[in-house]
Amino acid sequence: DQQVKQNSPSLSVQEGRISILNCDYTNSMFDYFLWYKKYPAEGPTFLISISSIKDKNEDGRFTVFLNKSAKHLSLHIVPSQPGDSAVYFCAATSWGGGATNKLIFGTGTLLAVQP
Amino acid sequence: DADVTQTPRNRITKTGKRIMLECSQTKGHDRMYWYRQDPGLGLRLIYYSFDVKDINKGEISDGYSVSRQAQAKFSLSLESAIPNQTALYFCATSDFATNYGYTFGSGTRLTVV
Repeated sequence: DQQVKQNSPSLSVQEGRISILNCDYTNSMFDYFLWYKKYPAEGPTFLISISSIKDKNEDGRFTVFLNKSAKHLSLHIVPSQPGDSAVYFCAATSWGGGATNKLIFGTGTLLAVQP
Repeated sequence: DADVTQTPRNRITKTGKRIMLECSQTKGHDRMYWYRQDPGLGLRLIYYSFDVKDINKGEISDGYSVSRQAQAKFSLSLESAIPNQTALYFCATSDFATNYGYTFGSGTRLTVV
């Protein structure tokens, strides 16, 4: 049973436009969420995170929005650049559950930014 | 040198063979993980270890075993490889202070024929 879901396997956007990547989760115990970016032949790298006490976190061109009632989060990239082309993974964990919890990852979305 | 190093980078092995994937880290993190990536399935946790004497099963541990030889080393073994273990394998590290910002290795592409 997939606790973290990314329903769009791929997304294509034009350079300079907004990219919106979506993620849904089912476990109401999750209270901390992260996005990772992965280029081919490399491991995933941490991008941005958000705690459930917030509904928005911003870092430069990247903003993550959290809607707890809908169990939904999204990553916005504005403006999109060709170097943003990668696979993006959403991940979740129960920080409040203490040190024994670990990250559960989604299936990933391949973003292609067209020049 | 990379913070998290996985060896080998690529491996082709035959069904039934034993194979070990190795991971070493220079981050000084106490927590280490093994994930596998499959198309359409994302990253799934195989095993994790929060310190040298702590080993825990993840979502998909059947057919795998691990060894935490030291704080910096965590190896994954396939005792008798089968074709559906063909995947991209990632080692990762973290510590409690990094708010779950895992550091991943570059991955091992394993093909079982």
